[in-house]
Amino acid sequence: DIQMTQSPSSLSASVGDRVTITCRASQDISNSLAWYQQKPGKVPNFLIYAASTLQSGVPSRFSGSGSGTDFTLTISSLQPEDVATYYCQKFDSAPWTFGQGTKVEIK
Amino acid sequence: QEQLVESGGGLVKPGGSLRLSCAASGFTFSDYYMSWTRQAPGKGLEWISYISSGGSTIYYADSLQGRFTISRDNTKNSLYLQMHSLRVEDTAVYYCARVPLNYGGYYYGMDVWGQGTTVSVSS
Repeated sequence: DIQMTQSPSSLSASVGDRVTITCRASQDISNSLAWYQQKPGKVPNFLIYAASTLQSGVPSRFSGSGSGTDFTLTISSLQPEDVATYYCQKFDSAPWTFGQGTKVEIK
Repeated sequence: QEQLVESGGGLVKPGGSLRLSCAASGFTFSDYYMSWTRQAPGKGLEWISYISSGGSTIYYADSLQGRFTISRDNTKNSLYLQMHSLRVEDTAVYYCARVPLNYGGYYYGMDVWGQGTTVSVSS
């Protein structure tokens, strides 16, 4: 099975900083990647699909890129409400494996 | 408003069984694939299973080793997860989620999630 590896596992940044999270697939998954945000104690929220398409209602400071095995989620200007754990998930074929998550905190 | 509501969680002894339900409302349930995902306490998300809109296509995570069965009843707008031979490591919050398809008929994410139901496996 294809493994999904996120880095870093956690990060701390200041409000207004540009934040980048990486997700790497162990094999080519084309652009079949989604990103989710899970705030503390809350349900996951669907952010991005097809690696770079923003789900309706998601703030434009979030963006995704990548194809093949390497993907990134970028928050262009970190806001206090962005404190959360972010997960990538592959959708090329089952199993729909998640990355282990990246916890984002405010410095 | 599109909504998913899980139920059926609880405390069960190792080796026991439990059946989770997920009631859908606010959308045409039979048009969508559906999925189960779980999250152990303090851990990340783990995908468990999906079922196609008509129920003919089903996949499971290998880690389940055949102990779980996903099903759906489109007449009742409901998704189910039957769990057998439960282990302590199955303790988690279990979420159902809707899986939309794109114009090419391919799944691409899970866009509506329930609030989750908690399963605790302990002696």
